Amino acid sequence: AQTVTQSQPEMSVQEAETVTLSCTYDTSESDYYLFWYKQPPSRQMILVIRQEAYKQQNATENRFSVNFQKAAKSFSLKISDSQLGDAAMYFCAYRALYNNNDMRFGAGTRLTVKP
Amino acid sequence: AAGVIQSPRHLIKEKRETATLKCYPIPRHDTVYWYQQGPGQDPQFLISFYEKMQSDKGSIPDRFSAQQFSDYHSELNMSSLELGDSALYFCASSSGLAADTQYFGPGTRLTVL
Repeated sequence: AQTVTQSQPEMSVQEAETVTLSCTYDTSESDYYLFWYKQPPSRQMILVIRQEAYKQQNATENRFSVNFQKAAKSFSLKISDSQLGDAAMYFCAYRALYNNNDMRFGAGTRLTVKP
Repeated sequence: AAGVIQSPRHLIKEKRETATLKCYPIPRHDTVYWYQQGPGQDPQFLISFYEKMQSDKGSIPDRFSAQQFSDYHSELNMSSLELGDSALYFCASSSGLAADTQYFGPGTRLTVL
């Protein structure tokens, strides 16, 4: 079974600064997808960024980037120039490419942005 | 762009009652997933459908059933509701089982009293 671990229940960052959220996962698959979802107080699940395991290049979406270390099974999210609107619960998620098409989520990291 | 639609957004039921949650996927998406997110929990996969057939099953109680209709919308039927069923229920859709991304709806908040 695949498991996703987020070891930081809560993180805090000053507005305009950079923060990194950690995620590790366990899998025996070689091909899979990894995601970061943001869940603001509205509880909507918003896709932040995704990474295909077969791609060595780290995904980037504007102020959001990942550090994907396949051998270490690590997938951290870096938020640059943090904004007040970034405050939310962030979930790391895994999805196998071929078997079990459901998403497996970590427990989440609550990010607070201080003005 | 059109997104996943879920109805109702909020639902309050008594114990032992029945509830039906509806999900309308993004147009041309043929795959639907249901997730349950309890208070302070991460979303847990319940069940999924591809082309109107059940494709995968997670931790869905026997009291729950679901189906996908010819127009690809899906309904989650929950019977003999228990207090522990109170949660946020997400539907997500994708274009095919191998699609990389699932797009989530806004969720239905179910409260069982």
